[in-house]
Order: sequence, then structure tokens, then C-alpha cells
Amino acid sequence: EVQLVQSGAEVKKPGESLKISCKGSGYRFISYWIGWVRQRPGKGLEWMGIIYPGDSDTRYSPSFQGQVTISADKSISTAYLQWSSLKASDTAIYYCARRGDYVDLDLWGRGTLVTVSS
Amino acid sequence: QSALTQPASVSGSPGQSITISCTGTSSDVGSYNLVSWYRQHPGKAPKLMIYEGSKRPSGVSNRFSGSKSGNMASLTISGLQAEDEADYYCCSYTGSSTFDVVFGGGTKLTVL
Repeated sequence: EVQLVQSGAEVKKPGESLKISCKGSGYRFISYWIGWVRQRPGKGLEWMGIIYPGDSDTRYSPSFQGQVTISADKSISTAYLQWSSLKASDTAIYYCARRGDYVDLDLWGRGTLVTVSS
Repeated sequence: QSALTQPASVSGSPGQSITISCTGTSSDVGSYNLVSWYRQHPGKAPKLMIYEGSKRPSGVSNRFSGSKSGNMASLTISGLQAEDEADYYCCSYTGSSTFDVVFGGGTKLTVL
């Protein structure tokens, strides 16, 4: 089955670090870009950035540049999203999604809920 | 890069047709035929409904159709069904090597 499996929900305190994951299976992981999308509670979708696992070419939306780090380990077909110092405003569901041939996002993970609270 | 503009909400009765607009600029929607549409039910991940402006992925009902005119893209759903009640988001390529894509603010579709 073609799927993206994301890591489980996290509860963190402000200032803590975090790395969440997105594992692809059922397709050639290194041949498709993987993007990350944020959805704050009750809000819309926000584009964060994207990585090509084949060569780790990474692009960030200006709003997220310097705020998060996107990486990938092609040997285990997994992409990552990480924070060095979380803020309460990072509380959101984070989705990973595969980019199709026409800049669409044709395969989505179920999302990882990140809650940052003191 | 500002978000694409969508109406906050639309509604329709079962069997009717509705259209959701998505207004961008000459830098995104107007320059590329690379608009996609996503449906999101509460508590679920988004699902691709339309790509490349008007194409349907395998398995998506032909009740869903997409179009574009100038800087505005549209999603039309015909023969409304209760299961169509959801949030809908448009997304456009921007051509920027860094910013890449931009989403619309989302539209809540209510089936009356």
C-alpha cells in the first residue's frame, strides 16, 4: 500500500526541541518531493517547505525559514520536521504530503498533533 | 506571498451544484495552470480532488470539476451529497524557488 506514516502526537514545553517523522512506503521514496503543511487549531493549511529525499534539496516558505528544519534519511524512506526551541504558537497539526507530477499533493499522512504548553 | 482568497463559506441543498472561487494574482494562479483543490473532513487529512487546474485523480467522482479564468480558479461540485460537506482548499504554484506554493484560506461547504 502506498502511504505516508507519521509519528505520534507530542506534548512539549516551550523551549524544548522536537523532531517528528514521516515514513513513506509502497513507492520509490527518493523520487518524489515531500512537503510539510501546518494547520493550527481551527485554521487553514499553511505551506512550510519541501525536500527531495534523493539529494536532500530543501526549500522553505519565507514564513518558516529559520524556524524549522526539514531533513530526510533516504536509507529508511523517512522525512523529518524539527524545531530547536518550541513556542506555544507552534501548537498545530503537521502534515507531510507527497508532491505529484503537477505540483499537487497527491498523498498525505494522517498528521502529527504537536501541543506546546507550559 | 499572500494566501489565495476563497469565500469563507458556501452552502447548497442535496442535488444542487455549487462553485467555490479561488482568487490569486498574475504571479500565481494567473501564470500557471497548476492549481489543485483539496477536501478536508473534520479530524481528517486533506485529500486531493483536482490537480493541474481541472484534472481528477483516479477514484475522485466526476461530480467534481475545476476551471480557471485569469487570476481566478474555481471548483464546482454538482449533484451535492451529504458527504461533500467539508472544508475545501485551493493551492497554486507560485514559481518561486523558495516559496513554491500558496494555499487559499479555505471554504466551509455546508450541505443543507
